[in-house]
Amino acid sequence: AQTVTQSQPEMSVQEAETVTLSCTYDTSESDYYLFWYKQPPSRQMILVIRQEAYKQQNATENRFSVNFQKAAKSFSLKISDSQLGDAAMYFCAYRRGNNDMRFGAGTRLTVKP
Amino acid sequence: NAGVTQTPKFRILKIGQSMTLQCAQDMNHNYMYWYRQDPGMGLKLIYYSVGAGITDKGEVPNGYNVSRSTTEDFPLRLELAAPSQTSVYFCASSYGLAADTQYFGPGTRLTVL
Repeated sequence: AQTVTQSQPEMSVQEAETVTLSCTYDTSESDYYLFWYKQPPSRQMILVIRQEAYKQQNATENRFSVNFQKAAKSFSLKISDSQLGDAAMYFCAYRRGNNDMRFGAGTRLTVKP
Repeated sequence: NAGVTQTPKFRILKIGQSMTLQCAQDMNHNYMYWYRQDPGMGLKLIYYSVGAGITDKGEVPNGYNVSRSTTEDFPLRLELAAPSQTSVYFCASSYGLAADTQYFGPGTRLTVL
């Protein structure tokens, strides 16, 4: 079974600084998708960024970027110029095919003013 | 365009009671999903549907039932509620492809006493 591991239960960053959240996953598949979701206190799950495993180029969305290392099965999220609104739980997720989405346990990010 | 809506937002059940969690989407998405999120954990897939009349089990289906009679609605039925089903339940939908963004509802917090 595929598993997703987020080894950092909590992280903290100073406003305007950069922070990296870690994620590793276990799979024997070669074709899959990886996602980072943000869950603010409102509980709404919001897609931050996604990466197709067949693409070598790392995905970027404004201040959010990933470091995708397929051989190492690592998928870290970098948040640049952190803002107070970035404070939330961040979940890494893995998906193969059109059904099976697996989530990590999450990392709680605190942004200090 | 309301996106994904869920009712109720909160509910307290007694052990052995039954209830239905409602989920509706107005984006004409083929795929719909039910997840549960236990405290301090990521989301786990309960059931999913690839279209009206078609449903399948996810990672944690025991104690739940679903049906999908229309594209818009995907209710989740809890029979004989147990304390282990205390959780936050999220409904989500996507157009269909594996890379597609899943749009999440605001969640239902269920407590079984």
